[in-house]
Amino acid sequence: NAGVTQTPKFRVLKTGQSMTLLCAQDMNHEYMYWYRQDPGMGLRLIHYSVGEGTTAKGEVPDGYNVSRLKKQNFLLGLESAAPSQTSVYFCASSRSSSTNEKLFFGSGTQLSVL
Amino acid sequence: GQQLNQSPQSMFIQEGEDVSMNCTSSSIFNTWLWYKQDPGEGPVLLIALYKAGELTSNGRLTAQFGITRKDSFLNISASIPSDVGIYFCAGSGGSNYKLTFGKGTLLTVNP
Repeated sequence: NAGVTQTPKFRVLKTGQSMTLLCAQDMNHEYMYWYRQDPGMGLRLIHYSVGEGTTAKGEVPDGYNVSRLKKQNFLLGLESAAPSQTSVYFCASSRSSSTNEKLFFGSGTQLSVL
Repeated sequence: GQQLNQSPQSMFIQEGEDVSMNCTSSSIFNTWLWYKQDPGEGPVLLIALYKAGELTSNGRLTAQFGITRKDSFLNISASIPSDVGIYFCAGSGGSNYKLTFGKGTLLTVNP
């Protein structure tokens, strides 16, 4: 039972470098989400997708891009990393947008930008 | 955006004690959710509440959806060491992509 898988688990970047975080889910879910978690801030939604080929902005989208070329994958990109993007990133998926449908989270990616 | 006030920020308790935490909002929500995050893992849903006044249990956990729809609480009875983690409340008007998360309550249980 893989559920939601995130890679990599840890990454260190220098300011200005780029990287892509990969999220894969094997539950055939339509909806996928990227959150960031900062100390004392809870979880904040960066971008989400309501289906293959679609993306939408969340609460804190600036500095990030996403793509959903395949239904099972949701990629989060940082084109030019900044220290303010040091955070733990979580991907999640759900069968529909309704809160009747449970959100399944991955185990997170710890990103440090120096 | 909407904000949730979750309290307390942290709790240190002895094994066997009961725990209570709550969330309040200035906005009305249609759904209240409670998640637990173990160290190094993503949040896992504990309890979902969909109706004002609803009281729901999941083992030693009990949560209630406030009558005003602006608050919710979570109780854990007879705590055990594996209850350690961060507990998050989340409220929504009905969509998963409109969830607002609280800042979390860090629970430490001393054996």
